[in-house]
Amino acid sequence: DAGVIQSPRHEVTEMGQEVTLRCKPISGHDYLFWYRQTMMRGLELLIYFNNNVPIDDSGMPEDRFSAKMPNASFSTLKIQPSEPRDSAVYFCASSLNGGGGEKLFFGSGTQLSVL
Amino acid sequence: SQQGEEDPQALSIQEGENATMNCSYKTSINNLQWYRQNSGRGLVHLILIRSNEREKHSGRLRVTLDTSKKSSSLLITASRAADTASYFCATDAGGNKLVFGAGTILRVKS
Repeated sequence: DAGVIQSPRHEVTEMGQEVTLRCKPISGHDYLFWYRQTMMRGLELLIYFNNNVPIDDSGMPEDRFSAKMPNASFSTLKIQPSEPRDSAVYFCASSLNGGGGEKLFFGSGTQLSVL
Repeated sequence: SQQGEEDPQALSIQEGENATMNCSYKTSINNLQWYRQNSGRGLVHLILIRSNEREKHSGRLRVTLDTSKKSSSLLITASRAADTASYFCATDAGGNKLVFGAGTILRVKS
């Protein structure tokens, strides 16, 4: 298996622009997680899905952030409009049966810079 | 908010030495996991220890869990330059959510 695949690896955009991050989880994994990593706040869970359904989006910072999972093999995280404080590394992770008692498999992340 | 807090924040050792990292957490847990992150990469799972376990081994890794003190430690024996990375503990905050600590940056000098 190729593992969790994220794209793009790097994204540089200007404030106010729309940003879309993409993730392909490991085939057969029922759970998908979006995390954000910054020096100041560490790793924060933004949202997670179970069988393509959003279960907990309490970590989504603002309405500018939205996430979808139209099918089992694809998820997007969208920021509209983007702001400089959104600059961070965004990780997607998947797991077989959930994040509590199961290990997560992480993608390589998307380094987002909002100028 | 971060459930787990690692200590120390940074650690620098010589190749061949042992490295010990600690993690403290605030609320009761079912499981605790350790992950490694190499620079510019995603996190990689190392080991999972359940609340009813006290110690677990995997190769050169040894993890202990003390639920009475709400703490865990990760020991890497006979460290190598390739062990240079950040190490994170993660606890289940209920349901399927994993909450990560701030991490320990380990540097192994050759």
